[in-house]
Amino acid sequence: DIQMTQSPSSLSASVGDRVTITCRASQGISTYLAWFQQKPGKAPESLIHAASSLQSGVPSKFSGSGSGTDFTLTISSLQPEDFATYYCQQYNTFPYTFGQGTKLEIK
Amino acid sequence: EVQLVESGGGLVQPGGSLRLSCAASGFIFSTYDMHWVRQATGEGLEWVSYIGTMGDTHYSGSVKGRFTISRENAENSLYLQMNSLTAGDTAVYYCARARPGIGGERWYFDYWGQGTLVTVSS
Repeated sequence: DIQMTQSPSSLSASVGDRVTITCRASQGISTYLAWFQQKPGKAPESLIHAASSLQSGVPSKFSGSGSGTDFTLTISSLQPEDFATYYCQQYNTFPYTFGQGTKLEIK
Repeated sequence: EVQLVESGGGLVQPGGSLRLSCAASGFIFSTYDMHWVRQATGEGLEWVSYIGTMGDTHYSGSVKGRFTISRENAENSLYLQMNSLTAGDTAVYYCARARPGIGGERWYFDYWGQGTLVTVSS
């Protein structure tokens, strides 16, 4: 199975900050990488697919990059509603696998 | 509006069975791949199973041989039959829709349901 490793596991930031979360795959997955946002008690929401393509309706403050094994999610100008847990997922090969999550907290 | 509504969760004893349902609306269900993903309390997301538009299936190693995914396109419904349940299967179970990427390769998740809680305990 492909292992997905996110870093950091948690991150404290302030409103207005720009943050970057990293996701590394244990083997190459081309650009078949998705990012999801999950708020407490809620279902995950899809943010990005194909490493850098925003889902419909997702604001442009979210951006993704990478290919192969190394990927990043960048969130600019943090707002209170952005503080959540973020997960990466590879969908190159079954079984699909998720990173362990990055909890973004308000400093 | 795309909607996915899971149901069928509840309390079940170890070794028992449960069947989850996911009712889909707002799109042509038969033309989309579907998945089940679960999340234990306080833990991360774990992919569970997939069913394609042609009925092809895949499972995670942790549920293979115990869980069966199916779909009934005429009823716009996705199912997950869970047998031989253990405490390790306790989680919120989400259904998710997948759509094709550019060129039709590697379908990615776009919509998720709100989840249904399965608790395995004596």
